[in-house]
Amino acid sequence: ETGVTQTPRHLVMGMTNKKSLKCEQHLGHNAMYWYKQSAKKPLELMFVYNFKEQTENNSVPSRFSPECPNSSHLFLHLHTLQPEDSALYLCASSQDRSSGSFNEQFFGPGTRLTVL
Amino acid sequence: GEDVEQSLFLSVREGDSSVINCTYTDSSSTYLYWYKQEPGAGLQLLTYIFSNMDMKQDQRLTVLLNKKDKHLSLRIADTQTGDSAIYFCAETFDRGSTLGRLYFGRGTQLTVWP
Repeated sequence: ETGVTQTPRHLVMGMTNKKSLKCEQHLGHNAMYWYKQSAKKPLELMFVYNFKEQTENNSVPSRFSPECPNSSHLFLHLHTLQPEDSALYLCASSQDRSSGSFNEQFFGPGTRLTVL
Repeated sequence: GEDVEQSLFLSVREGDSSVINCTYTDSSSTYLYWYKQEPGAGLQLLTYIFSNMDMKQDQRLTVLLNKKDKHLSLRIADTQTGDSAIYFCAETFDRGSTLGRLYFGRGTQLTVWP
């Protein structure tokens, strides 16, 4: 596998379910990101991890819980979601956040989440 | 602020040039980017420009930056049906906790007709 991979690609869940999204990067990067992409809205940055430490949480509801066990893996644990949480969830990685302001982020294909 | 605005749709005929426009509000941006998202895929960096430049050319792509008007454009010459995708404008700043953070526009859906 190369680049950034995400599993599952599609997920349908009920509001009472617990599920997890997984992201893995094979690029040797140290920064990883979760974004939410929904129709008619700009791409929303949810969480940032740099060297496994969470450096940003942009007012994301607690029903979304990220986990970064190492620089190559990032999870997003989902619990009691709402229908409005249905969206494409994108993971990205980059070299790291301290290497200057140029920041090429490499994106995975996303998980299409539908909350019923 | 970090508002990045783009028109939502653009349609062109194959072989014509496409111009996708973007405006931003924060004059302290350091880099400006164009990302491309094909159907069913994540975003991919297409090109970028450093804020002290006003033009960058890369094969069929030309990026123009007007810092005075805070306007960025992407011109695709000889547009092909394979260029149909969503194009995102983004910017980064070199300050404090926002170091390296990308601020995206909503994306422009480019449709190329044969």
